[in-house]
Amino acid sequence: GENVEQHPSTLSVQEGDSAVIKCTYSDSASNYFPWYKQELGKRPQLIIDIRSNVGEKKDQRIAVTLNKTAKHFSLHITETQPEDSAVYFCAASIGPGDDKIIFGKGTRLHILP
Amino acid sequence: GAGVSQTPSNKVTEKGKYVELRCDPISGHTALYWYRQSLGQGPEFLIYFQGTGAADDSGLPNDRFFAVRPEGSVSTLKIQRTERGDSAVYLCASSLGPRGSSTDTQYFGPGTRLTVL
Repeated sequence: GENVEQHPSTLSVQEGDSAVIKCTYSDSASNYFPWYKQELGKRPQLIIDIRSNVGEKKDQRIAVTLNKTAKHFSLHITETQPEDSAVYFCAASIGPGDDKIIFGKGTRLHILP
Repeated sequence: GAGVSQTPSNKVTEKGKYVELRCDPISGHTALYWYRQSLGQGPEFLIYFQGTGAADDSGLPNDRFFAVRPEGSVSTLKIQRTERGDSAVYLCASSLGPRGSSTDTQYFGPGTRLTVL
Protein backbone atom coordinates (compact mmCIF):
# COMPACT_ATOMS: atom_id res chain seq x y z
CA GLY A 1 0.00 0.00 0.00
CA GLU A 2 0.90 3.65 -0.01
CA ASN A 3 3.39 4.63 2.65
CA VAL A 4 5.76 7.27 3.97
CA GLU A 5 9.27 6.34 5.04
CA GLN A 6 11.10 8.57 7.49
CA HIS A 7 14.71 8.56 8.67
CA PRO A 8 16.60 8.67 10.87
CA SER A 9 14.48 7.29 13.69
CA THR A 10 16.71 9.06 16.22
CA LEU A 11 18.91 12.11 15.76
CA SER A 12 21.21 13.85 18.21
CA VAL A 13 22.73 17.22 17.36
CA GLN A 14 24.72 19.75 19.32
CA GLU A 15 22.84 22.87 20.30
CA GLY A 16 23.34 25.49 17.61
CA ASP A 17 23.96 22.95 14.85
CA SER A 18 21.51 22.03 12.09
CA ALA A 19 19.23 19.00 11.97
CA VAL A 20 17.90 17.35 8.83
CA ILE A 21 15.11 14.77 8.67
CA LYS A 22 14.26 13.03 5.40
CA CYS A 23 11.12 11.37 4.11
CA THR A 24 10.12 9.50 0.98
CA TYR A 25 6.62 8.75 -0.25
CA SER A 26 5.22 6.26 -2.72
CA ASP A 27 2.12 7.93 -4.21
CA SER A 28 3.14 10.13 -7.14
CA ALA A 29 -0.21 11.93 -6.84
CA SER A 30 0.58 13.18 -3.32
CA ASN A 31 0.43 16.96 -3.24
CA TYR A 32 0.44 18.02 0.41
CA PHE A 33 3.28 17.42 2.87
CA PRO A 34 2.92 18.64 6.48
CA TRP A 35 5.44 18.28 9.29
CA TYR A 36 4.33 17.89 12.90
CA LYS A 37 6.23 18.21 16.17
CA GLN A 38 5.07 16.16 19.13
CA GLU A 39 6.40 16.58 22.64
CA LEU A 40 6.01 13.78 25.14
CA GLY A 41 2.38 13.33 26.13
CA LYS A 42 1.23 16.24 23.98
CA ARG A 43 -0.73 16.58 20.76
CA PRO A 44 1.02 16.83 17.36
CA GLN A 45 1.56 20.46 16.40
CA LEU A 46 1.96 21.58 12.79
CA ILE A 47 5.28 23.34 12.31
CA ILE A 48 5.39 23.76 8.54
CA ASP A 49 3.77 22.35 5.43
CA ILE A 50 4.44 22.44 1.71
CA ARG A 51 2.30 21.83 -1.35
CA SER A 52 3.48 20.29 -4.57
CA ASN A 53 3.51 23.51 -6.55
CA VAL A 54 6.60 24.78 -4.69
CA GLY A 55 10.00 23.26 -4.07
CA GLU A 56 10.96 24.98 -0.85
CA LYS A 57 9.35 26.85 2.01
CA LYS A 58 10.98 28.58 4.95
CA ASP A 59 9.72 29.89 8.28
CA GLN A 60 12.43 31.39 10.47
CA ARG A 61 14.72 28.50 11.54
CA ILE A 62 12.63 25.84 9.82
CA ALA A 63 12.63 24.98 6.13
CA VAL A 64 11.17 22.19 4.05
CA THR A 65 12.31 21.09 0.60
CA LEU A 66 10.35 18.93 -1.83
CA ASN A 67 11.62 16.92 -4.78
CA LYS A 68 8.56 15.56 -6.59
CA THR A 69 10.58 13.71 -9.20
CA ALA A 70 12.42 11.72 -6.57
CA LYS A 71 9.38 11.65 -4.25
CA HIS A 72 11.22 12.86 -1.23
CA PHE A 73 11.02 15.83 1.10
CA SER A 74 13.14 17.04 3.99
CA LEU A 75 12.88 19.16 7.11
CA HIS A 76 15.79 21.42 8.01
CA ILE A 77 16.11 23.05 11.42
CA THR A 78 18.96 25.55 11.79
CA GLU A 79 20.52 26.98 14.96
CA THR A 80 18.89 24.26 17.05
CA GLN A 81 17.76 25.05 20.58
CA PRO A 82 16.92 22.81 23.56
CA GLU A 83 13.19 23.37 23.01
CA ASP A 84 13.52 21.76 19.57
CA SER A 85 13.88 18.39 21.31
CA ALA A 86 10.77 16.35 20.40
CA VAL A 87 9.50 13.74 17.97
CA TYR A 88 8.97 15.03 14.43
CA PHE A 89 6.57 13.40 11.98
CA CYS A 90 6.44 13.91 8.23
CA ALA A 91 3.25 13.13 6.36
CA ALA A 92 1.88 13.04 2.84
CA SER A 93 -1.59 13.15 1.33
CA ILE A 94 -2.67 10.02 -0.50
CA GLY A 95 -5.75 8.27 -1.80
CA PRO A 96 -7.98 8.49 -4.85
CA GLY A 97 -9.50 11.69 -3.49
CA ASP A 98 -6.22 12.79 -1.96
CA ASP A 99 -8.14 12.86 1.29
CA LYS A 100 -5.93 10.85 3.62
CA ILE A 101 -2.80 11.96 5.40
CA ILE A 102 -0.30 9.17 6.01
CA PHE A 103 2.37 9.74 8.65
CA GLY A 104 5.93 8.51 8.89
CA LYS A 105 7.07 6.67 12.00
CA GLY A 106 8.73 9.74 13.45
CA THR A 107 12.21 11.00 14.30
CA ARG A 108 13.20 11.57 17.91
CA LEU A 109 15.39 14.67 17.93
CA HIS A 110 17.71 15.27 20.89
CA ILE A 111 19.44 18.62 21.21
CA LEU A 112 22.63 18.18 23.20
CA PRO A 113 23.81 21.04 25.45
CA GLY B 1 -10.03 30.69 20.37
CA ALA B 2 -10.63 27.21 21.68
CA GLY B 3 -8.79 24.37 20.00
CA VAL B 4 -9.91 20.84 19.33
CA SER B 5 -11.03 19.13 22.52
CA GLN B 6 -11.49 15.46 23.27
CA THR B 7 -13.16 13.62 26.11
CA PRO B 8 -12.38 11.68 28.13
CA SER B 9 -8.64 12.24 28.35
CA ASN B 10 -8.21 8.72 29.67
CA LYS B 11 -10.44 5.69 29.43
CA VAL B 12 -9.79 2.32 31.02
CA THR B 13 -12.13 -0.50 30.08
CA GLU B 14 -12.32 -4.25 30.16
CA LYS B 15 -12.00 -6.52 27.18
CA GLY B 16 -15.33 -6.97 25.47
CA LYS B 17 -16.84 -3.69 26.62
CA TYR B 18 -18.19 -0.84 24.47
CA VAL B 19 -16.59 2.62 24.51
CA GLU B 20 -17.38 6.02 23.03
CA LEU B 21 -14.79 8.72 22.47
CA ARG B 22 -15.86 12.29 21.81
CA CYS B 23 -14.28 15.02 19.70
CA ASP B 24 -15.24 18.70 19.64
CA PRO B 25 -13.61 20.35 16.63
CA ILE B 26 -12.65 23.99 16.31
CA SER B 27 -15.82 26.01 15.75
CA GLY B 28 -16.58 26.42 12.06
CA HIS B 29 -14.28 23.64 10.90
CA THR B 30 -16.02 21.52 8.31
CA ALA B 31 -13.58 18.61 8.15
CA LEU B 32 -12.88 16.20 10.99
CA TYR B 33 -10.44 13.30 11.17
CA TRP B 34 -9.84 10.44 13.58
CA TYR B 35 -6.41 8.85 14.02
CA ARG B 36 -4.99 6.18 16.28
CA GLN B 37 -1.46 6.46 17.66
CA SER B 38 0.37 3.56 19.24
CA LEU B 39 3.52 4.03 21.30
CA GLY B 40 6.49 4.97 19.14
CA GLN B 41 4.41 5.27 15.98
CA GLY B 42 2.96 8.06 13.91
CA PRO B 43 -0.77 8.75 13.85
CA GLU B 44 -2.66 6.16 11.80
CA PHE B 45 -5.60 7.42 9.74
CA LEU B 46 -9.01 5.98 10.66
CA ILE B 47 -11.78 8.12 9.14
CA TYR B 48 -12.41 11.53 7.56
CA PHE B 49 -15.68 13.47 7.77
CA GLN B 50 -16.60 16.35 5.51
CA GLY B 51 -19.66 17.88 7.12
CA THR B 52 -21.92 15.12 8.38
CA GLY B 53 -20.80 12.44 5.98
CA ALA B 54 -17.85 10.08 6.15
CA ALA B 55 -15.85 10.95 3.06
CA ASP B 56 -13.34 8.18 3.68
CA ASP B 57 -13.60 5.43 6.30
CA SER B 58 -11.01 3.15 4.76
CA GLY B 59 -8.76 3.34 7.82
CA LEU B 60 -11.23 1.78 10.23
CA PRO B 61 -9.61 -1.55 11.14
CA ASN B 62 -12.80 -3.66 11.26
CA ASP B 63 -16.53 -3.46 11.81
CA ARG B 64 -16.12 -3.05 15.58
CA PHE B 65 -15.17 0.56 14.89
CA PHE B 66 -17.75 3.14 13.88
CA ALA B 67 -17.87 6.93 13.94
CA VAL B 68 -20.63 9.49 13.56
CA ARG B 69 -20.91 13.24 13.15
CA PRO B 70 -24.69 13.80 13.00
CA GLU B 71 -24.74 17.60 13.00
CA GLY B 72 -21.45 18.27 11.26
CA SER B 73 -19.69 19.38 14.42
CA VAL B 74 -19.08 17.00 17.35
CA SER B 75 -18.01 13.49 16.42
CA THR B 76 -18.10 10.25 18.38
CA LEU B 77 -15.86 7.26 17.73
CA LYS B 78 -17.49 4.05 18.90
CA ILE B 79 -15.67 0.80 19.55
CA GLN B 80 -17.62 -2.38 20.24
CA ARG B 81 -16.32 -5.52 21.93
CA THR B 82 -12.99 -3.88 22.75
CA GLU B 83 -9.82 -5.92 22.51
CA ARG B 84 -6.45 -5.41 24.19
CA GLY B 85 -4.99 -4.49 20.80
CA ASP B 86 -7.30 -1.48 20.66
CA SER B 87 -5.24 0.18 23.40
CA ALA B 88 -3.75 3.38 21.97
CA VAL B 89 -4.15 7.14 21.97
CA TYR B 90 -7.06 8.16 19.76
CA LEU B 91 -6.48 11.56 18.20
CA CYS B 92 -9.00 13.81 16.55
CA ALA B 93 -8.12 16.64 14.17
CA SER B 94 -10.15 19.26 12.35
CA SER B 95 -9.57 21.63 9.45
CA LEU B 96 -11.45 24.67 8.23
CA GLY B 97 -11.90 23.42 4.70
CA PRO B 98 -11.93 20.03 3.00
CA ARG B 99 -8.82 18.05 2.16
CA GLY B 100 -7.15 19.48 -0.89
CA SER B 101 -8.34 23.01 -0.29
CA SER B 102 -6.10 25.90 0.76
CA THR B 103 -7.55 25.70 4.29
CA ASP B 104 -7.01 22.01 4.97
CA THR B 105 -4.37 22.35 7.68
CA GLN B 106 -5.25 19.85 10.39
CA TYR B 107 -5.21 20.87 14.05
CA PHE B 108 -5.05 18.04 16.54
CA GLY B 109 -6.80 17.53 19.84
CA PRO B 110 -5.00 16.25 22.96
CA GLY B 111 -6.19 12.70 22.39
CA THR B 112 -7.94 10.06 24.46
CA ARG B 113 -5.71 7.38 25.92
CA LEU B 114 -7.67 4.13 25.75
CA THR B 115 -6.50 1.18 27.81
CA VAL B 116 -8.23 -2.17 27.39
CA LEU B 117 -7.48 -4.56 30.23
